[in-house]
Amino acid sequence: EVQLVESGGGLVQPGTSLRLSCAASGFTFEDYAMHWVRQAPGKGLEWVSGISWNSGYIGYADSVKGRFTISRDNAKNSLYLQMNSLRAEDTAFYYCAKARGYSVSDAPDYWGQGTLVTVSS
Amino acid sequence: QSALTQPPSASGSPGQSVTISCTGTSSDVGGYNYVSWYQQHPGKAPKLMIYEITKRPSGVPDRFSGSKSGNTASLTVSGLQAEDEADYYCSSYAGSNNLVFGGGTKLTVL
Repeated sequence: EVQLVESGGGLVQPGTSLRLSCAASGFTFEDYAMHWVRQAPGKGLEWVSGISWNSGYIGYADSVKGRFTISRDNAKNSLYLQMNSLRAEDTAFYYCAKARGYSVSDAPDYWGQGTLVTVSS
Repeated sequence: QSALTQPPSASGSPGQSVTISCTGTSSDVGGYNYVSWYQQHPGKAPKLMIYEITKRPSGVPDRFSGSKSGNTASLTVSGLQAEDEADYYCSSYAGSNNLVFGGGTKLTVL
């Protein structure tokens, strides 16, 4: 059974940093691309970033480019999102999602339950 | 990276069919065969219902079907059931290792 467990969310002040983690199990992590998708409370889904199976291809939404960095450690079956210069508009539930294949173009098929990031002074 | 355009709401009676549209551009929906649809119930994580325009993951009822014409993709739910009431989101590959989602459609079963 595919399991994705996000951690690292919390309440932070604007301008500060936070690192999210996603622990994956139930599938061969190194074979699949991964995504981060966020959802502000009561709002729609917004793709944040994606990374290919070998970290060779990475993409970011314009809204986070230059501030967020996605990475993965295939030896630890883990996905990460380093978030710097956080803004109030980054407040959202952040979902880790497994892609259907090895490429960032492959759609997310399994999702974690999300971790809430709140940016407020 | 503009969000794909979906109607905010859609509705139908049990047993009826309803179609939800998802309009993008030639740089996303129209340019790739990588359109997906997700169902999200309140307080739950999204669930993949359709991928690569028309394909259904294992376990998704065949009442759910997808199609695409030009820059617009569509999700059709046939034989509506009460449990189909949820938010539905489309997504598409947009090139350069980017994905884009639609704004979401709230489906109400009357």
